[in-house]
Amino acid sequence: DGGITQSPKYLFRKEGQNVTLSCEQNLNHDAMYWYRQDPGQGLRLIYYSQIVNDFQKGDIAEGYSVSREKKESFPLTVTSAQKNPTAFYLCASRQGGRTDTQYFGPGTRLTVL
Amino acid sequence: AQSVTQPDIHITVSEGASLELRCNYSYGATPYLFWYVQSPGQGLQLLLKYFSGDTLVQGIKGFEAEFKRSQSSFNLRKPSVHWSDAAEYFCAVGTGGYQKVTFGTGTKLQVIP
Repeated sequence: DGGITQSPKYLFRKEGQNVTLSCEQNLNHDAMYWYRQDPGQGLRLIYYSQIVNDFQKGDIAEGYSVSREKKESFPLTVTSAQKNPTAFYLCASRQGGRTDTQYFGPGTRLTVL
Repeated sequence: AQSVTQPDIHITVSEGASLELRCNYSYGATPYLFWYVQSPGQGLQLLLKYFSGDTLVQGIKGFEAEFKRSQSSFNLRKPSVHWSDAAEYFCAVGTGGYQKVTFGTGTKLQVIP
């Protein structure tokens, strides 16, 4: 099956620890995205990548880092510098053409204790 | 910068009744418009999209939306709601290019028997 997978579905971490969220796609999409979702705030863009080895900050990049070493993978690290990391994190990918659509993974819920 | 407003945070409708979810956008050029649906704890699923052409767009699950440039609106409609339509609905506007997509804050739909 083609699609986007995110793991784990639930993640618990102690305050001050870094944590990495996985996002993998087998759709052969060029672009990948990370969003953060909080209740009542919609989705906010953290980072995006249009091609391998290149990525740009989104609207709320502070306290997060990413890498794009392979086309199919775009892991997100939530660092200890992120002041309020508890949230639902969504990964998306898109083919890359002007009118192409973003498709979303199932999400990872991160809870920092 | 573009923005999206979904004025209704929560809507309750009876099963079998018609539905209209409101969406207003702000963007200087011709927008790319989307409606997504999200079940609790899940990722987002694309319902429909508008890029150009016919302003009445048909989507999955019996949904449709109409683009009205004069009103900067892209309201989602369904003639008869089913209990399985209970979810959160997000309107989004994209700009092409790397396609920065801005999401509204969502409307939660409750369906009562």
